[in-house]
Amino acid sequence: RKEVEQDPGPFNVPEGATVAFNCTYSNSASQSFFWYRQDCRKEPKLLMSVYSSGNEDGRFTAQLNRASQYISLLIRDSKLSDSATYLCVVNVWKKSSGDKLTFGTGTRLAVRP
Amino acid sequence: DVKVTQSSRYLVKRTGEKVFLECVQDMDHENMFWYRQDPGLGLRLIYFSYDVKMKEKGDIPEGYSVSREKKERFSLILESASTNQTSMYLCASTAANTGELFFGEGSRLTVL
Repeated sequence: RKEVEQDPGPFNVPEGATVAFNCTYSNSASQSFFWYRQDCRKEPKLLMSVYSSGNEDGRFTAQLNRASQYISLLIRDSKLSDSATYLCVVNVWKKSSGDKLTFGTGTRLAVRP
Repeated sequence: DVKVTQSSRYLVKRTGEKVFLECVQDMDHENMFWYRQDPGLGLRLIYFSYDVKMKEKGDIPEGYSVSREKKERFSLILESASTNQTSMYLCASTAANTGELFFGEGSRLTVL
């Protein structure tokens, strides 16, 4: 089983739609969680961290469910500029080896006019 | 402006050649990482390092080695390049326990 799994999509939605992505992780020792965004032919960039209490940044809401080992990202009022690949990232920190950040394969979002 | 610099954007090598990919960061970050990215497979971790001279195998270390002689520099070495190592290689760094990776622009390697 992959350490971090995402539905690859693509999710094809109209402007203004609400879209949700899920991500599951297999290592229960994972401590911190993130969503990254990657535009075509560019490097990934941090979108937001994910906390157990849930967190919101404008139109974006991230949730963590430790019991079920999944993370979600909700995008409200989609814009054309939201079209990108969204990557789920899980961190396992060990004193002996530091941070190990593992990526999911990404979910592609295409927002149409 | 924070920066991670990879030495080569594009390389073409022949099977069996030794390949060095260099990465330098100017943020005094403890952690550095090498990933490769392939269509349908996402970013896969090759090696990572949390301190000078320390290295840890990631998920796909076979065929690769690394060197971290200085905090700011993390090199990826392909001892004998093979065609299945044709890929986009991404270097990243992060301060300890923050999870915010800063990536270089990537090195696209083609092995013929």
